Amino acid sequence: DTEVTQTPKHLVMGMTNKKSLKCEQHMGHRAMYWYKQKAKKPPELMFVYSYEKLSINESVPSRFSPECPNSSLLNLHLHALQPEDSALYLCASRVTGGIQETQYFGPGTRLLVL
Amino acid sequence: DQQVKQNSPSLSVQEGRISILNCDYTNSMFDYFLWYKKYPAEGPTFLISISSIKDKNEDGRFTVFLNKSAKHLSLHIVPSQPGDSAVYFCAAGIQGGKLIFGQGTELSVKP
Repeated sequence: DTEVTQTPKHLVMGMTNKKSLKCEQHMGHRAMYWYKQKAKKPPELMFVYSYEKLSINESVPSRFSPECPNSSLLNLHLHALQPEDSALYLCASRVTGGIQETQYFGPGTRLLVL
Repeated sequence: DQQVKQNSPSLSVQEGRISILNCDYTNSMFDYFLWYKKYPAEGPTFLISISSIKDKNEDGRFTVFLNKSAKHLSLHIVPSQPGDSAVYFCAAGIQGGKLIFGQGTELSVKP
């Protein structure tokens, strides 16, 4: 089973709203990721959590705030977003250890900021 | 500096024929390479991988070839099916590091 689930599937929010995206995996993966993807472009890395600790922040604006409550869950809190933040937000996870570090992606949350 | 490049933004193939998607890289330190397939508005789906110590890996209709001296890898799909129509991303990684993606190639398989 290589399933990563994400909720909600779609989200429309105004620029003053606060919302959260959720990601869950039960594969025992201890590395989890947030990516942003625009149509037909490669995923852009935002954050990496390793063993529930933030290990990489790719200079993401503070209006995006990640959280890893436990080894299975990853949240992305959104506040005061801009229309240009509209995109597909992807969560991924991978096994830690080993040479080959395949990341498994969730289906994504399609976000529209009005 | 784009470390992983997919120089063909699109590829059109007839159903039943072979699809060959290409990827070039510049960093000889990459430990492994991955191919992902992506349908619109969905997350990328992992297809096949290859370790840097191998030169070929096969899984059903999908085969990945790695030519380390040329810093080139390719994904072969045989036979191609209309359901294979999607954007394909190659990605490369170093153990403990980030995954570096190519820009993607949009494959269209025509009936």
